[in-house]
Amino acid sequence: GAVVSQHPSWVICKSGTSVKIECRSLDFQATTMFWYRQFPKQSLMLMATSNEGSKATYEQGVEKDKFLINHASLTLSTLTVTSAHPEDSSFYICSASQGGTDTQYFGPGTRLTVL
Amino acid sequence: GIQVEQSPPDLILQEGANSTLRCNFSDSVNNLQWFHQNPWGQLINLFYIPSGTKQNGRLSATTVATERYSLLYISSSQTTDSGVYFCAVFGSSNTGKLIFGQGTTLQVKP
Repeated sequence: GAVVSQHPSWVICKSGTSVKIECRSLDFQATTMFWYRQFPKQSLMLMATSNEGSKATYEQGVEKDKFLINHASLTLSTLTVTSAHPEDSSFYICSASQGGTDTQYFGPGTRLTVL
Repeated sequence: GIQVEQSPPDLILQEGANSTLRCNFSDSVNNLQWFHQNPWGQLINLFYIPSGTKQNGRLSATTVATERYSLLYISSSQTTDSGVYFCAVFGSSNTGKLIFGQGTTLQVKP
C-alpha cells in the first residue's frame, strides 16, 4: 500500500516552454501533497505544500507564478514549470500524506532537463 | 527553524559490515522519518519513529527524543544498501512539513 506515482519520470524541453508534472496517490486519499526539488548530491528542498481544494503554500524564495501547483482531487496534484529555463533543470519529487504529521510517501521523481 | 544534522556525510563499507548512522536535531519534533534514496532517486520509507526502537530485518532505528537524536543501524550490509540515507523531522508547529538532513551517502563494496 501507500504508493505514489509521478509522470513523466523524465522530460527534456526547450527553454521558454512549460512542463507539467503529475503526482498521484494510487491507493490512498492524500489530503496533503508536497513538492520538493533536489539538485545533484544535495538534500531535498521543500518548494510548496498543497491541500486538496486550496491554494498551495509556497516556501520562501519559490516563485509561485513560475511553479504552478494544482491539487484538484484527493489523488492528484500537478506542478507546472512555466517558461522553463536551464536553471530550472533539477529532480522534482512529490510526496503525499493523509494530513498532519502522518507519514509522507514519496513518488519516484521527475528529472527535468531544460535545453 | 529546526536544524537537522546527519553524520557521517560519507561512509564506505565492505559487504557484511555493520554501521550506525546518526541524526541530530536542534529542537523538539513531532516525529521523525528515515529514508533510503536509491541510485534511481526513489525515496523509500524505512522508519517512522518518534521515539523508541523499531526493527525491520537487518535495519533498526532508535530515537531518543529527549536528547534530540536518532540512530539508524544497518547490520550485515549488502551492496543493495548503497545510496543516500536521509532523516527528516516534523517541526513542532504541526504543519506536516518535513525538514531533511543533508544525508549520509553509503557505498557498500562487494
